[in-house]
Amino acid sequence: AQKVTQAQTEISVVEKEDVTLDCVYETRDTTYYLFWYKQPPSGELVFLIRRNSFDEQNEISGRYSWNFQKSTSSFNFTITASQVVDSAVYFCALSEANFGNEKLTFGTGTRLTIIP
Amino acid sequence: EADIYQTPRYLVIGTGKKITLECSQTMGHDKMYWYQQDPGMELHLIHYSYGVNSTEKGDLSSESTVSRIRTEHFPLTLESARPSHTSQYLCASSEWSGGGARNTIYFGEGSWLTVV
Repeated sequence: AQKVTQAQTEISVVEKEDVTLDCVYETRDTTYYLFWYKQPPSGELVFLIRRNSFDEQNEISGRYSWNFQKSTSSFNFTITASQVVDSAVYFCALSEANFGNEKLTFGTGTRLTIIP
Repeated sequence: EADIYQTPRYLVIGTGKKITLECSQTMGHDKMYWYQQDPGMELHLIHYSYGVNSTEKGDLSSESTVSRIRTEHFPLTLESARPSHTSQYLCASSEWSGGGARNTIYFGEGSWLTVV
């Protein structure tokens, strides 16, 4: 069975600080996908990134960056120069790619608060 | 940006009432999902569909039912609502990925249900 662990329940940082959200996953599959979603107070889930298990390249998108390391089964998310608008709950998720039977398993989320 | 819509966004109803949460997507996605999320908690898959006339139960047991008569529409129904059904319900959709090459699951804005 697959599992996603987000050990950090809540994080608070002062605006403009960098912050890293941790995600550790477990799966028996060799092919899988990892995701990060942002959930602002309004409740919707906003897709941020998808990474497949064969691509360990780190990715940067503006102030966001992701560090995927298969050796430690981790997919950490860093926000550089944080802003108040970054305040939200962030979910890491895992999907095993069983020829169409993809279902997301979510972590418990990390609530990030950016203090002005 | 995802084109997936849920109505109602917020609903307060009495115990024993029948309710239907609507979900529609305009992306032509074959796969659709319903997730349940209690406030501040992780998301759990309760129903999914591979396409028209296909419905499957998810990982979390639910008293709700779903139907998929049209590709774009995936409503969720509770025949007799109870306070234990109070939660947020998130609808999602994704492309049929066949061999698992691509899979991004897009979410709607969610329906907050309160049963009193």
